Amino acid sequence: AIQMTQSPSSLSASVGDRVTITCRASQGIRNELAWYWQKPGKAPKLLIYAASILQSGVPSRFSGSGSGTDFTLTISSLQPEDFATYFCLQDYNYPRTFGQGTKVEI
Amino acid sequence: EVQLVESGGGLVQPGGSLRLSCAASEFTFSTYWMTWVRQAPGKGLEWVANINQDGSNRHYVDSVQGRFTISRDNGRNSLYLQMSSLRAEDTAVYYCARDHTYYNSNVYYDAFDIWGQGTTVTVS
Repeated sequence: AIQMTQSPSSLSASVGDRVTITCRASQGIRNELAWYWQKPGKAPKLLIYAASILQSGVPSRFSGSGSGTDFTLTISSLQPEDFATYFCLQDYNYPRTFGQGTKVEI
Repeated sequence: EVQLVESGGGLVQPGGSLRLSCAASEFTFSTYWMTWVRQAPGKGLEWVANINQDGSNRHYVDSVQGRFTISRDNGRNSLYLQMSSLRAEDTAVYYCARDHTYYNSNVYYDAFDIWGQGTTVTVS
């Protein structure tokens, strides 16, 4: 199975900060990667698919990039509601595999 | 409102069985792949299984292969996960999710665009 490694596992930032989360795949996955966010006690929600395409309704301060093995999720100006845990997921092959998550604390 | 609602979770002894259900509403259920994802207490997300539109194609994570069976009833707009030989490590919140296929630049991408609220399975 493809291993997805996220970093950092957690971070603390202030409102207005630029935040970057990385996800590395153990083998090339083209751009077949999605990002999700999850707030405590809630189901995850889709942020980005195809590594860089924003899901409908997601604020434009979120962006994704990368291809092959290295991917990045960027929040350009952190907002209080962005407190959440972020996960990457490869949809290149089976089994689908998630990164371990990055907890963003405000 | 497009919605998924899971049910069937509960407390079960090791070695026991449980059947989870996921009821879909306000979308054409029969046209989507569907997925189960779980989350152990305080842990990350783990993809468990998925199934294609007519149930003829299924995939599982290795840790549940042979113990869990994903199925669907398109007439009832429902997805199921039959779990047997349950282990303590199967304890988790189980989410069903709609597996949406996006098409961009001649490539198809899958992403889980609708999630249920989850149902809790405790094996103890």
